[in-house]
Amino acid sequence: DIVMTQSPDSLAVSLGERATINCESSQSVFSTSNNKNYLTWYQQKPGQPPKLLIYWASTRESGVPDRFSGSGSGTDFTLTISSLQAEDVAVYYCQQYYSVPWTFGQGTKVEIK
Amino acid sequence: QVQLVESGGGFVKPGGSLRLSCVASGFPFDEHHISWIRQAPGKGLEWLAYISSRGSAKTNVDSRKGRFTISRDNDKNSVYLQMDSLRVEDTAVYFCARGGPWSAAGGYFDYWGQGSAVIVSS
Repeated sequence: DIVMTQSPDSLAVSLGERATINCESSQSVFSTSNNKNYLTWYQQKPGQPPKLLIYWASTRESGVPDRFSGSGSGTDFTLTISSLQAEDVAVYYCQQYYSVPWTFGQGTKVEIK
Repeated sequence: QVQLVESGGGFVKPGGSLRLSCVASGFPFDEHHISWIRQAPGKGLEWLAYISSRGSAKTNVDSRKGRFTISRDNDKNSVYLQMDSLRVEDTAVYFCARGGPWSAAGGYFDYWGQGSAVIVSS
């Protein structure tokens, strides 16, 4: 199974500042057949299901604010919130869909400093 | 709009069974793969099972093969998760989720239901 490890487990960022979350996979999730990274990011607020933010490591889902961006390739990935807003307080998860079983990171909790 | 609504959760004793249902609306159901994912209290997300759009392909997390069975009825826009021999550690909120359209296997999830809580306790 591919193990997904996020860092940090939690972070506190001032409003308007940048938040950066890292995700490392235990093996590459890059496919040479289509040159895509099978990596996605979700946001989960308390009492709600997860919401898709990013897929293919860097493609923003429709309707997601452009302050959210994804980057990275192979085994190392990053979710960046360029200017943290109050409504961004949530837990963020990365997930690989390169191979079954599809696996999630443990989550990173983002709070306001 | 796209909606996924889970039902069938509740209290069950260890060793018991439950069947969760997920009813979908707002999209061509028979064109999308569906997965079940769970979240234990205060914990992260765990993918459990997948079924292809026509039901011809299914995949479970290996450790739960034989206890959890996924199925679907496209005439009813529904996916099911039959859970047998339940254990205390199966206590969680169970989500159904639609496979994203840009991955052939639907391995990422673009819409999620609100979840159905399962509590396994004696």
